[in-house]
Amino acid sequence: TQLLEQSPQFLSIQEGENLTVYCNSSSVFSSLQWYRQEPGEGPVLLVTVVTGGEVKKLKRLTFQFGDARKDSSLHITAAQPGDTGLYLCAGAGRGSTLGRLYFGRGTQLTVWP
Amino acid sequence: GAGVSQSPRYKVAKRGQDVALRCDPISGHVSLFWYQQALGQGPEFLTYFQNEAQLDKSGLPSDRFFAERPEGSVSTLKIQRTQQEDSAVYLCASSLVEEQPQHFGDGTRLSIL
Repeated sequence: TQLLEQSPQFLSIQEGENLTVYCNSSSVFSSLQWYRQEPGEGPVLLVTVVTGGEVKKLKRLTFQFGDARKDSSLHITAAQPGDTGLYLCAGAGRGSTLGRLYFGRGTQLTVWP
Repeated sequence: GAGVSQSPRYKVAKRGQDVALRCDPISGHVSLFWYQQALGQGPEFLTYFQNEAQLDKSGLPSDRFFAERPEGSVSTLKIQRTQQEDSAVYLCASSLVEEQPQHFGDGTRLSIL
């Protein structure tokens, strides 16, 4: 059971297009992390957002944490073939579940040249 | 090494056999996590260690699953009497302390025939 719902599940776009991936939950998390995973490899951390309303930019990637700390979005500007991969959001547990990460199902992004 | 190392990378076993999966965390990392990632899903939490203490094993799917970290460094995940539904990628992650970002290994892909 995934506590975090990601949408869309699959996204196939042309190089140069913009896209947004969404991550939603009914639970509040102490922080939310975005990972990217390539086939046969483990997830690699892209960013951690902690404060409600926080916006972080990483080159062409913009991450936003919802005001209530329940949802997040990832926006990619001018996508490139190198952006292809599985994008996972993960909420960090609080209290008795501190340290645990709750992952969404992921968004499989394919960027065609 | 610089990252989390897992072995073997691939494991094929017959139903009913026991398997052992190994994780070498980043040196000095106190926290160690195991996750299970089924095909097309995000990782799901299995268990968590702080040094040698197993603080949370609530994600282990059955009593056939057992994890240990006897000296607070290397960890082993053991699955007894394997079943087909155990087929998945098993990911290990470590972090300096529990609230810090987790660094993932590349996983062990387990296939039960």
